[in-house]
Amino acid sequence: AQSVTQLGSHVSVSEGALVLLRCNYSSSVPPYLFWYVQYPNQGLQLLLKYTSAATLVKGINGFEAEFKKSETSFHLTKPSAHMSDAAEYFCAVSDSHNNDMRFGAGTRLTVKP
Amino acid sequence: DSGVTQTPKHLITATGQRVTLRCSPRSGDLSVYWYQQSLDQGLQFLIHYYNGEERAKGNILERFSAQQFPDLHSELNLSSLELGDSALYFCASSVPGTGGETQYFGPGTRLLVL
Repeated sequence: AQSVTQLGSHVSVSEGALVLLRCNYSSSVPPYLFWYVQYPNQGLQLLLKYTSAATLVKGINGFEAEFKKSETSFHLTKPSAHMSDAAEYFCAVSDSHNNDMRFGAGTRLTVKP
Repeated sequence: DSGVTQTPKHLITATGQRVTLRCSPRSGDLSVYWYQQSLDQGLQFLIHYYNGEERAKGNILERFSAQQFPDLHSELNLSSLELGDSALYFCASSVPGTGGETQYFGPGTRLLVL
């Protein structure tokens, strides 16, 4: 069964600092991987996704993620954090048959002024 | 705005009761997915419907059921409610495809069971 593990339930960075949110996946077949963001009292919004076209994926709001098969990782990064980036971030994996998605436990990002 | 709508936004009910949550997918999307988000279980996949047919089941309790109607809206029925069913319930929709399709999430229904 496919799954993802997010390392770190809480990450705190200063405004302007690098954001690094970690995600490792487990899959017996090439996975489809996603990063979603959830702002307080809102639904989930897609940041970016990997569907095997390119290993470095650029998303919205300056975020990007790199698919590394050798490390089974899909970490999310942003060079410079903004206060508005404070939210919960979820990594997810889906299969090619049903497109059903399995989410990680989430990482809450805090941005300090 | 994702284009996915969910009603009601909030629901407060008592243990043992039954509720129905409604979801309208984005125009053109044939797939509807239901998820439960709670503090202890995180975000869990419940069930997936595609063009009116059940496609896959996740961690959905037997007390819960869903259906998708000819106009593609979906309903999630929760019965014999327990305190532990209190959670945020999301639906998402996507276009049909071969995999990797983006799921667009609604704003959720917050259920509180007292």
